Amino acid sequence: AQSVTQLDSQVPVFEEAPVELRCNYSSSVSVYLFWYVQYPNQGLQLLLKYLSGSTLVKGINGFEAEFNKSQTSFHLRKPSVHISDTAEYFCAVVPTGRRALTFGSGTRLQVQP
Amino acid sequence: DVKVTQSSRYLVKRTGEKVFLECVQDMDHENMFWYRQDPGLGLRLIYFSYDVKMKEKGDIPEGYSVSREKKERFSLILESASTNQTSMYLCASTSGWDKNTEAFFGQGTRLTVV
Repeated sequence: AQSVTQLDSQVPVFEEAPVELRCNYSSSVSVYLFWYVQYPNQGLQLLLKYLSGSTLVKGINGFEAEFNKSQTSFHLRKPSVHISDTAEYFCAVVPTGRRALTFGSGTRLQVQP
Repeated sequence: DVKVTQSSRYLVKRTGEKVFLECVQDMDHENMFWYRQDPGLGLRLIYFSYDVKMKEKGDIPEGYSVSREKKERFSLILESASTNQTSMYLCASTSGWDKNTEAFFGQGTRLTVV
């Protein structure tokens, strides 16, 4: 079975500062990796995904993530956050050949002025 | 614009009631999913379906059942609602996992069982 660990439940940060949201996973087979964002009272929206190829993945809204196979990590980064980035962020995996996403517990990003 | 539509944003039901949550997608996706979202626990998979009338249990199927009679519609059923089923329920659909596909989520149904 696979699992996803998001190491920080909340991350407070000041506007225009850089941020990193951490995600580690475990799986007995190779996986596809995803980051989703959930704004208040909304569903989930895909930020970015890693399926294969370059380990540095760029997504929407200036976010990027790096797949590190040896450390089984997929950390999300943004060099300068905005107030509008305040949301909950979920890391998720799908083992290759499987159908369903497995999610982490989420990280609430709180951007302060 | 692609759409996954959940029939209700908010529901309040009494303990013991039979509850139906409906989800419709307009993208001709084979795969549909029901997740439950609770604070600090993220999203947990209840059931999914990969074809009409086909279903598989997820991680927390107890107390739930599902129905998929048509490709576009996937229903979650709480046979006898209990207070510990108070939660946010999210439906999703996807055609699969490759560079050109993604999963799309509905807006969620916040269910309160009293």
